[in-house]
Amino acid sequence: EVQLQQSGAELVKPGASVKLSCKTSGYTFSNYYMSWLKQMPGQNIEWIGNIYGGNGGTGYNQKFKGKATLTVDKSSSTAYMDLSSLTSEDSAVYFCARRAWGARRYFDYWGQGVMVTVSS
Amino acid sequence: DIQMTQSPASLSASLGETVSIECLASEGISNDLAWYQQKSGKSPQLLIYAASRLQDGVPSRFSGSGSGTRYSLKISGMQPEDEADYFCQQSYKYPLTFGSGTKLEIK
Repeated sequence: EVQLQQSGAELVKPGASVKLSCKTSGYTFSNYYMSWLKQMPGQNIEWIGNIYGGNGGTGYNQKFKGKATLTVDKSSSTAYMDLSSLTSEDSAVYFCARRAWGARRYFDYWGQGVMVTVSS
Repeated sequence: DIQMTQSPASLSASLGETVSIECLASEGISNDLAWYQQKSGKSPQLLIYAASRLQDGVPSRFSGSGSGTRYSLKISGMQPEDEADYFCQQSYKYPLTFGSGTKLEIK
């Protein structure tokens, strides 16, 4: 069974950074892309970027370049996202989601989401 | 970026009723469209991909259609468990973009 288990909720101060994790199981991590997505309360879902589990190759939404950094640890089948210089606009739920096999750019499995709250 | 305009923003349906949700892309996306269901407080779940292909395990009352820039999701016979938010997503070009969502409630 494919599972994506995200780390717990974060309360961080403005200007700080946070690192979110997404531990996977049930499939071959290095054969798939992992994406990260942002959902603000009652709003659209935004695609932040993706990273290939095999070699760590990344692609970002221009909007999130400089804000988000994606990495992977193949040994633990875990994907990470660093968010830097946090502001209130970064308060949201963040999901990791596995991209479907091959070149398909939709998401067949999602983590449970993690709430990030930026507040002093 | 490709803009996805989704309508209606909200919808109320009786049990057993057939409902449709539409997405209009700002340019042609060659059937590279997915639909997701998101229940309150949960993560989205894939329903339809490639505009009309049903994801494994999804009930057959869900169907997708469309071409070019216009796509739709149909639920044939509303069930209580279908009360949720629904989103479309274009998978044609980066950056991947989503519609603004449709809140479907039971009347």
